[in-house]
Amino acid sequence: LAKTTQPISMDSYEGQEVNITCSHNNIATNDYITWYQQFPSQGPRFIIQGYKTKVTNEVASLFIPADRKSSTLSLPRVSLSDTAVYYCLVGDRKAAGNKLTFGGGTRVLVKP
Amino acid sequence: DTAVSQTPKYLVTQMGNDKSIKCEQNLGHDTMYWYKQDSKKFLKIMFSYNNKELIINETVPNRFSPKSPDKAHLNLHINSLELGDSAVYFCASSQRRGGNNEQFFGPGTRLTVL
Repeated sequence: LAKTTQPISMDSYEGQEVNITCSHNNIATNDYITWYQQFPSQGPRFIIQGYKTKVTNEVASLFIPADRKSSTLSLPRVSLSDTAVYYCLVGDRKAAGNKLTFGGGTRVLVKP
Repeated sequence: DTAVSQTPKYLVTQMGNDKSIKCEQNLGHDTMYWYKQDSKKFLKIMFSYNNKELIINETVPNRFSPKSPDKAHLNLHINSLELGDSAVYFCASSQRRGGNNEQFFGPGTRLTVL
C-alpha cells in the first residue's frame, strides 16, 4: 500500500510557478499518480494524472522521474483563485488491489 | 445538474443518536466511495462499492454501515454517534473501480456531534 508524503503548506505570489512534490517510495508497478485540488467547503476535484515521465493539461503539469518514487505537480503562473489544498493520490488500477490513499495534502496560499 | 449530491449538507446531533447521510450520483458510474475528512484535512477512505458490492472496507467502527440500494446511491448510517465522529464526510464516484479512475466528489456533509 503506497503511502504518500507532501509538504504541509506552501506560500506563493500571483504570477509565480508553484511546484509541489509528493513522495511515494513504495509505489507499486500498477499504481497511477493522481492530484486533486480542494477549495474550502467543497469536495476535491481532479487536476491531473500520470504514470511516468511528464503529463500536461490546461491546468497543470505532472513530472514523474524514472524511479516513480516521487512526483511533482507544477502550477504555472498561479492566481489568487489557486489557493487551495492539493492532494497526491497513489492508486492501484488492478481490481483486486483497490486501495486508495490520499496524503495529508499541501495547503497552497497565493498572495497578491 | 449536480453530478454527485449528498444530503444533508449539515448535520448537528447529540451523542448516542443514530443518523444517516445519503449520496446519489447521476453520472452512470459503477463505483462509489465514502471518505472522512477530519479537522486536519486528512482524507481517509472508509468504504467503496462497485455495482452494489462492497469492495473496500477500511478499519472503521462497526457503528458505520454503508448501504447501496442501487449503483447510483450509497448511503451511510451511523449508530450511537460519538464526539470523534465529528468531521466532514464526502461521497465520491468513479466510472470504474481502480485507483487510476478519476473520482467525482460530492459537496460534503459536515457532521457535528455534541
